[in-house]
Amino acid sequence: EVQLLESGGLLVQPGGSLRLSCAASGFTFSSYAMSWVRQAPGKGLEWVSGISSSGAGTYYLDSVKGRFTISRDNSKGTLYLLMNSLSAEDTAIYYCAKADGYNYGYNYWGQGTLVTVSS
Amino acid sequence: IQLTQSPSSLSASVGDRVTITCRASQGISSYCAWYQQKPGKAPKLLIYAASTLQSGVPSRFSGYRSGTDFTLTISSLQPEDFATYYCQQLNSYPQSFGGGTKVEIK
Repeated sequence: EVQLLESGGLLVQPGGSLRLSCAASGFTFSSYAMSWVRQAPGKGLEWVSGISSSGAGTYYLDSVKGRFTISRDNSKGTLYLLMNSLSAEDTAIYYCAKADGYNYGYNYWGQGTLVTVSS
Repeated sequence: IQLTQSPSSLSASVGDRVTITCRASQGISSYCAWYQQKPGKAPKLLIYAASTLQSGVPSRFSGYRSGTDFTLTISSLQPEDFATYYCQQLNSYPQSFGGGTKVEIK
């Protein structure tokens, strides 16, 4: 059974940093691209970042480029999102998500981890 | 790529046929997926590649593409279908979602 388990969400002050993790199991992690998607309270879904199966390709939403870094450790089956220079606009539930292929949509999602940026 | 989803909300009754539209600001081929989200839950994939039904999703859900316009249709609305629906483009990075359509009980 495919499982994605996010962790690391916290209350952090504006300008602070945070690293999210997503522990994957039930599939060959190193064979699949992964993504982070967030949802601000009461708002819609927003794709944040993606990474290729090998980690060689990384992609970002324009508003997080230069502040967020996506990475993965295929030996540990874990996806990461390092977030720097956080602002209130980054407050959201962050989900990690997996697709079966390039045009397959995200058929597996974690339960999400809440990041709150506030003083 | 911007996705304009309409309507942003609708009220419907059980048994109604419901159609939600998503217009892409540029061509995305068939790289469109549809999701259902209920409060406090992660999104659930319904349709991918514009018109392919995800395994396990009821056949009352269908997707269609015409150029840069995509539609999600629920042929006969059921009580468990009251939720928010999102389209997504996977044609190019950064990927993007539509603004969502909340389907409420009339």
